[in-house]
Amino acid sequence: QVQLQESGPGPVKPSGTLSLTCTVSGGSISTSNWWSWVRQPPGKGLEWIGEIYHSGSTNYNPSLKSRVTISVDKSGNHFSLFLSPVTAADTAVYYCARVIPGSLYFDSWGQGTLVTVSS
Amino acid sequence: QSALTQPPSASGSLGQLVMISCTGTSSDIGAYKYVSWYQQHPGKAPKLLIYEVDKRPSGVPDRFSGSKFGNTASLIVSGLQAEDEADYYCSSYAGNNNYVFGTGTKVTVL
Repeated sequence: QVQLQESGPGPVKPSGTLSLTCTVSGGSISTSNWWSWVRQPPGKGLEWIGEIYHSGSTNYNPSLKSRVTISVDKSGNHFSLFLSPVTAADTAVYYCARVIPGSLYFDSWGQGTLVTVSS
Repeated sequence: QSALTQPPSASGSLGQLVMISCTGTSSDIGAYKYVSWYQQHPGKAPKLLIYEVDKRPSGVPDRFSGSKFGNTASLIVSGLQAEDEADYYCSSYAGNNNYVFGTGTKVTVL
């Protein structure tokens, strides 16, 4: 049973860079799955941010594409999210999730981590 | 890409049926069979309920079912239980390697 766990440095200042890591356990990141980031502002709905394959191929939400980078570290079995520059509107719970190829749904999720953008 | 449209709230008594709609466009729900549904309890991560419109992962009770007609997908919860009180989100593949989620529906068990 694969498990995902988000981690990050904590609050981020406006105009700074948000960085998060999702560590995958119970399975290899180098499978046929894609690995996604999804966020949820407080009291609001879910928003897909983007995804990465173990080869390094990425896809991003067009509305965030100019500010987002997702990278993968196969040896560390984790993938990372970078968002810059951030504003208060980027304050959200950030989830990482596994995407099932061919069926295109999110079957396993991390517990989520709240990132607050504030000066 | 715009979020899929869901009713903000739905409710039903114990044992009753609740249906949640999810309306998209001919570029997302109408174009693909890749519609999924997620249940989210407060402070928790979303949990997969339905994938590929009407398929249920193992462990999900059969009182949860899904369907699609045109640009609208639906989730039906029959035999409503107290633990079904939660937020529900639909999602669809939107082409060009993109995904879109619904606006979310809060289900209340009366």
